[in-house]
Amino acid sequence: DQQVKQNSPSLSVQEGRISILNCDYTNSMFDYFLWYKKYPAEGPTFLISISSIKDKNEDGRFTVFLNKSAKHLSLHIVPSQPGDSAVYFCAASVSGDYKLSFGAGTTVTVRA
Amino acid sequence: GAVVSQHPSWVICKSGTSVKIECRSLDFQATTMFWYRQFPKQSLMLMATSNEGSKATYEQGVEKDKFLINHASLTLSTLTVTSAHPEDSSFYICSAIGLPGGQETQYFGPGTRLLVL
Repeated sequence: DQQVKQNSPSLSVQEGRISILNCDYTNSMFDYFLWYKKYPAEGPTFLISISSIKDKNEDGRFTVFLNKSAKHLSLHIVPSQPGDSAVYFCAASVSGDYKLSFGAGTTVTVRA
Repeated sequence: GAVVSQHPSWVICKSGTSVKIECRSLDFQATTMFWYRQFPKQSLMLMATSNEGSKATYEQGVEKDKFLINHASLTLSTLTVTSAHPEDSSFYICSAIGLPGGQETQYFGPGTRLLVL
């Protein structure tokens, strides 16, 4: 049973524009959410996270928004750069537990 | 920065053979490591939690006798797929929990692609 869903398998965006990646979850026990970035032949690397006590967290070009009532979060990348081309995974956990439930990933391609 | 390695990066084996995958934390000690599996176009699914010096904890639906986990040291966990079958073909990825920068963080390995013929 997939508790974290990324319904868009791919996203293509022009350099300089905004990339918006979406993620939905079903388990109301989740209270900590993370985004990971993965390049081919490498492991996922942590990008940004958000706790359920917040609805927004920003780090440079990356902003994560959380809508708890809708059980939805999104990652905004602005402006998008060619180096952002990668697979992005949304993950969720119960805080204090490192066990993560992952989405299937969204492949982002930034066009020059 | 902190690195987690996996060996081999990919392996092809015949049905019925056993395959061992290693996960190493290269510059930090990890008392806890996790093993995930990813089928094509699906999410990473947690298989088990590997604890140094004790038995692994398996997620529901994961056969502990088929996927043997040994966490013999603070820097090494191994996953052995016993009597592998084509349906075991998947991408196996580990992660390690450590404090290399002073803050406890989860680091992922690059993954091992297994193809069982």
